[in-house]
Amino acid sequence: AQKITQTQPGMFVQEKEAVTLDCTYDTSDQSYGLFWYKQPSSGEMIFLIYQGSYDEQNATEGRYSLNFQKARKSANLVISASQLGDSAMYFCAMRKGAGGTSYGKLTFGQGTILTVHP
Amino acid sequence: KAGVTQTPRYLIKTRGQQVTLSCSPISGHRSVSWYQQTPGQGLQFLFEYFSETQRNKGNFPGRFSGRQFSNSRSEMNVSTLELGDSALYLCASSFRGADTEAFFGQGTRLTVV
Repeated sequence: AQKITQTQPGMFVQEKEAVTLDCTYDTSDQSYGLFWYKQPSSGEMIFLIYQGSYDEQNATEGRYSLNFQKARKSANLVISASQLGDSAMYFCAMRKGAGGTSYGKLTFGQGTILTVHP
Repeated sequence: KAGVTQTPRYLIKTRGQQVTLSCSPISGHRSVSWYQQTPGQGLQFLFEYFSETQRNKGNFPGRFSGRQFSNSRSEMNVSTLELGDSALYLCASSFRGADTEAFFGQGTRLTVV
């Protein structure tokens, strides 16, 4: 079974500073994918970034980067130059890779509430 | 292109009633999966449909069911509603399911009174 752990219930950051949100995972699969989503108070889940287990480079998307350390089973999200609009709940999620039987099933962590202070 | 559309956005139902939620995926996407989000349990997987077939199912009672139509639109039905079914229901759309991206709709917030 897959498991995602986000140990930070809440994080605070000053505007324009960088922040790291922690995510560790547990799986016996060799092929898997890791996702980060942002959920504002409106409820919509916004896709931020994806990392495949066989990707050698860390994924980056604009101000978001994923610090993937496979041996440690961690997939931390780094947000650079925080903005007030980044205040939201952030979820780390994973799914089995192609060829597995779980296909589109995502397993989520409990989330981290990020608050950006002006 | 249009994103994932879930209707209705808000719903209030009485215990014992049934409810149907709808999800229209991104054009061309064939995989639709459903999740229930509650403060106590977090995000839990309900089921996934691909090309009108249920491929995967989470640990929910049989009161929760779904289907997918030939245009990939999906519906989720909950019968004999209980207070504990109050939640945000989210659907996710992807091309195959095992993709590098999975996009969510805005969710349907169901309140059972």
